[in-house]
Order: sequence, then structure tokens, then C-alpha cells
Amino acid sequence: AQRVTQPEKLLSVFKGAPVELKCNYSYSGSPELFWYVQYSRQRLLLLLRHISRESIKGFTADLNKGETSFHLKKPFAQEEDSAMYYCADRGNNRLAFGKGNQVVVIP
Amino acid sequence: NAGVTQTPKFRVLKTGQSMTLLCAQDMNHEYMYWYRQDPGMGLRLIHYSVGEGTTAKGEVPDGYNVSRLKKQNFLLGLESAAPSQTSVYFCASSYAGLAPDTQYFGPGTRLTVL
Repeated sequence: AQRVTQPEKLLSVFKGAPVELKCNYSYSGSPELFWYVQYSRQRLLLLLRHISRESIKGFTADLNKGETSFHLKKPFAQEEDSAMYYCADRGNNRLAFGKGNQVVVIP
Repeated sequence: NAGVTQTPKFRVLKTGQSMTLLCAQDMNHEYMYWYRQDPGMGLRLIHYSVGEGTTAKGEVPDGYNVSRLKKQNFLLGLESAAPSQTSVYFCASSYAGLAPDTQYFGPGTRLTVL
């Protein structure tokens, strides 16, 4: 069964400091990984997905098959980055979500 | 396009009452999903559908039923609500393509069962 692990529940960083959110997956097939963001109890929005290898709002994530990881990074946190972040792995027509990371950016 | 919409936005039920949550999407997506979001648990899949007339169980299906009579609608029913079903419910839909598909989420329904 798919399993996505996000070890840190809460991450507090100062504005301008780097942010890294860890995500590890365990799906045995070809991983299809995503990061979703949820601002202030609103709907989840796609932030980025590994296949497109893009940078959105300064965030990047690289798939590391050897470490089965898809960590999310941003070099300089902004206050508007305060949100919940969910890593997800797609398999069997569904997404398996991690438990999420609450990011708080301190001004 | 309205995207994915959910009704109602809020609801308070008493234990044992029933209700139906409606999800609608206007993007002609084949796949639709119902999740519940609880503190410390992330999002857990309740049921999903890969096409009109088909449904399948997700991770936490007990106590819920679903129907997909029309492609654009996915209904989630609680026949006899329990306090453990107090949660925020999110619907999502996605295109069934060959490439990894993005799920589009609704705004959520906040349900409290007393």
C-alpha cells in the first residue's frame, strides 16, 4: 500500500530563512509525487508535481528515488508561505497524502 | 468555470441524523473523490469514483455511502451520523489521462456531529 511520511508536524522559520519540508514515500511502483498547499483552512491547491520539474512561488522539489524522497525547499521564506503543506503520491487512481506540515513564518 | 463546488459549507447534526453532501464539478472530469481532514491525520480518502455509475472504497469508508449518478456530481451520504464523523470534508476531481493528473479540490464542508 502507498504510504507517505511527513515527519515534522510544525515548522517555524523566520522570514528570509530557508525552508525544507521532508517527504518520504513507500509506493513500490513508479512514484508520481505532488505537493499541495492549504492556506488558512481553504481548499487545497496544487503547488508542484515532480514530473514537471518546475518552481512555483520559489519552491522546488526533487525526486530522489534512491532515498525515496521528495523534499520541498525554498531558499528564503516569506510571510505568505505560512500554510499547511501536504505531500502526496499517486497510485491506483488515487492520491495517498501525508499528514501534512504546518509552516509558520515569523516576521 | 466554477471548478469544484460543495454544498453545504457548514452543518451541525445530532447523533443518528442523516445528511447528504453534494459535490459538483464543471470540468468534465472522470474521477471524483471524497476526503476527510482531521487534525494530525492529514487527508484520508473515504470513497472515490472513476466514472459515472462507479464507486470504490477508499481508506476510511465505514459509515459513509456515495453515489455517482451523473458525471458532474458525487454525493456523500451519512446514514446515521456519529460524533466521530465530525470533520472537514473535501471533494476533489481529476482528469483521467495518461500523465499524472492534478486533483482539483472543493472549498470543504465543515460538519459537526453532536
